[in-house]
Amino acid sequence: DSGVTQTPKHLITATGQRVTLRCSPRSGDLSVYWYQQSLDQGLQFLIQYYNGEERAKGNILERFSAQQFPDLHSELNLSSLELGDSALYFCASGGGPLSDTQYFGPGTRLTVL
Amino acid sequence: DAKTTQPNSMESNEEEPVHLPCNHSTISGTDYIHWYRQLPSQGPEYVIHGLTSNVNNRMASLAIAEDRKSSTLILHRATLRDAAVYYCILRLGGTYKYIFGTGTRLKVLA
Repeated sequence: DSGVTQTPKHLITATGQRVTLRCSPRSGDLSVYWYQQSLDQGLQFLIQYYNGEERAKGNILERFSAQQFPDLHSELNLSSLELGDSALYFCASGGGPLSDTQYFGPGTRLTVL
Repeated sequence: DAKTTQPNSMESNEEEPVHLPCNHSTISGTDYIHWYRQLPSQGPEYVIHGLTSNVNNRMASLAIAEDRKSSTLILHRATLRDAAVYYCILRLGGTYKYIFGTGTRLKVLA
């Protein structure tokens, strides 16, 4: 158990819909990272937040957005969903600005029908 | 664009050393090399990382070529629990962007 929690574990929805994935970091961790893992694209870094501020952006689509709240939990919002958005979405958390170790949650499996 | 290349799969016998290679010929001077592994049905797990010098920890060793265009993750004695997909990753210097390779699926034979 990494100490990172993600909800929900599974999500099934239809094309065109909007969903929110939630992540609670390990106690004391200030950074939250979001990743997408699909069969054809592998693991892709989406975005990172540090203490409420966006720190780095990867291959995140404009239909996707994220935020980190004052209590440090984070949400990833996916809108206008397409079949190709079906994937495992992982959240990871890490420590201070000089800490490079990430602790991954168990993931949320999103299925878009 | 920064990129890592890894063999799709490797096999090892239990209790023997395993050398997992990674090519990152486009690496820049400030990019860090990270390794994570993903056990079945789990999120990735940190293994080791380094910049220029070889690194050791309780899980593994990381050998970085002098020109930094390749690196090797060394598991000193493979166990059945080490069967996983091992990812070689670049953390782009000056940023917190991570570029994942496609991973090597390691099979450990009893």
